Order: sequence, then C-alpha cells, then structure tokens
Amino acid sequence: TQLLEQSPQFLSIQEGENLTVYCNSSSVFSSLQWYRQEPGEGPVLLVTVVTGGEVKKLKRLTFQFGDARKDSSLHITAAQPGDTGLYLCAGPGRGKLIFGQGTELSVKP
Amino acid sequence: GAGVSQSPSNKVTEKGKDVELRCDPISGHTALYWYRQRLGQGLEFLIYFQGNSAPDKSGLPSDRFSAERTGESVSTLTIQRTQQEDSAVYLCASSSNLVPRISNSPLHFGNGTRLTVT
Repeated sequence: TQLLEQSPQFLSIQEGENLTVYCNSSSVFSSLQWYRQEPGEGPVLLVTVVTGGEVKKLKRLTFQFGDARKDSSLHITAAQPGDTGLYLCAGPGRGKLIFGQGTELSVKP
Repeated sequence: GAGVSQSPSNKVTEKGKDVELRCDPISGHTALYWYRQRLGQGLEFLIYFQGNSAPDKSGLPSDRFSAERTGESVSTLTIQRTQQEDSAVYLCASSSNLVPRISNSPLHFGNGTRLTVT
C-alpha cells in the first residue's frame, strides 16, 4: 500500500519566518503534487514535480522532489498570513490520487 | 469556465436517514473522483469513475455507500442509514485524464458538501 506521511501536522509561525513541510513515503512515485486548501474550499493544485531531484519555485514557495522519488518538501520563505491553509502532498496510485494527511499552517501577523 | 460544482454545500441529517450528494464535473472531463475529508485531515479516497464505469470502489467504507455516474457527467454519492461517523466533507474532483497521467491533467476539486449527522 502506498502511503504519504506529512510532517509536521500543525505549524504556527509569525509573519516573516521561514518554514519547511515534508512529505515522505517508502514507495517510489512517478510524480508528486502539492495542493493548498483554504477553509470551505476544495484543494487547489500548486505544483507537480516529476523528475527526481527537481526543484520548482512559485514566488516564495520552493518545492523539491527527492532524488529517489520517495519524498518531497515545500519551503516557504518569509511567510505571510495569506499563506495560511492546509497543505497536502499527493501522488498517483492505481487510477487515483493518494493524499498525505496534510500540514495545517497558521501564519500570524 | 465553470468549475466543479457540488450540491448541497451543507447537509444536516438525522442518524438513520439516507442522503444523496451531487457532483457536476467540468464539461468534457472523463474522470471523476469522490473523496472524504474529516476535520483538519487529509483526503480519503472513496471511488472513481472513468466515463460511467467505476473500476475501483475499494475506498467505499461500507455497503451503505454507493455512487453512480450517468451521461459521463453528473455523479451522485448516496449514503444509506447515515451514522454519526459519516459526518465529514465529501469532495468531488474531475480531470481530463485518468491518474496516473497526473502531470498532464491535475484534479479540479469542488468546494465539497459538509455532511453533519445528528
């Protein structure tokens, strides 16, 4: 069974701080995705990483796919209150997308 | 263009009643997925459709849960004899291709139906 473990589960920081969220598995994934979900809404795709070792940047967000394609990380620089939300990593399983349990991020002004 | 639409947005029901949740996917999307999300947690896979057929029903928690899709469009998720543990947000998503062609066709989610069983 393919599982994705995210850490930390909860993160509360002050505006301007940096943070990293991790997504780990014992299985190899062909690709991994990161989604962000705000209260009352569905998850929205942030990025897809496909190649081992790949790094993608989205403004202040940096996503990395591990060399062995078993893990990924999301780093946020100078976090802002607008970054608050639930961050989910996801990988393809048999015909479906498997999600981690999420990291609840709260950025306080 | 229009996104994935789910109705109702909120549903409160008494234990033991049946409920029906509706999902209108993005037009032309052949793949449709149902997930369940408990408060503050990740997404638990329930079922997916490729066209009108459901190759994988492995995520349905019990035989009280069923889903169908017609016309390669609208899907309904039915929960019979609801229990308090069924309380959750039920999310629907669609994509133009079936996972694992994920890099070419991400999942587009609706805003979910929040189900509360009292």
